[in-house]
Amino acid sequence: DSGVTQTPKHLITATGQRVTLRCSPRSGDLSVYWYQQSLDQGLQFLIQYYNGEERAKGNILERFSAQQFPDLHSELNLSSLELGDSALYFCASSVEGQSYGYTFGSGTRLTVV
Amino acid sequence: QKEVEQDPGPLSVPEGAIVSLNCTYSNSAFQYFMWYRQYSRKGPELLMYTYSSGNKEDGRFTAQVDKSSKYISLFIRDSQPSDSATYLCAMIPGGSYIPTFGRGTSLIVHP
Repeated sequence: DSGVTQTPKHLITATGQRVTLRCSPRSGDLSVYWYQQSLDQGLQFLIQYYNGEERAKGNILERFSAQQFPDLHSELNLSSLELGDSALYFCASSVEGQSYGYTFGSGTRLTVV
Repeated sequence: QKEVEQDPGPLSVPEGAIVSLNCTYSNSAFQYFMWYRQYSRKGPELLMYTYSSGNKEDGRFTAQVDKSSKYISLFIRDSQPSDSATYLCAMIPGGSYIPTFGRGTSLIVHP
């Protein structure tokens, strides 16, 4: 167990729907990062939150949004889902300022049908 | 051209072999270099971390960075079936802390 908890582990939903993925970071970590992993694109950075505030943004679609709550857990919201959004979504956490040493969760496998 | 290139494999080797995994990159600003291991249905876990050029050894694993060639390697000695996983390289430019990942190389070590 890495200490980073992601729920749900699997999600199957239809095109056009909206889903929410949840992440609880490792105890003491203030930063949460969201990644999308697909076979053709590999691991792509989506967005980072630090202590409740957005810190960095990557290749995140406008249909996607995230937030980090006062208890430091984070949610990634995916809306108007398309078949191409099917992927593994990982959350990682780290101590702010570290340039290495992400701790990843086990991911949420999203299948859009 | 992607910033970080990594052959997806699969690379299949017999138990006990020396494994060489490699990545090339195009961004000369990369200063921090990492290798992650990802087992099936799991998230990546950090294996090795190096700063700038040089070698770093940890048990059976050796990470090597050649900035002049923009080439990094991970060597696994005495490979074991438990080493079977996908290995991802990752790199961070100076002044940042968001890594760019390679697509990963699938390694299979057969008994």
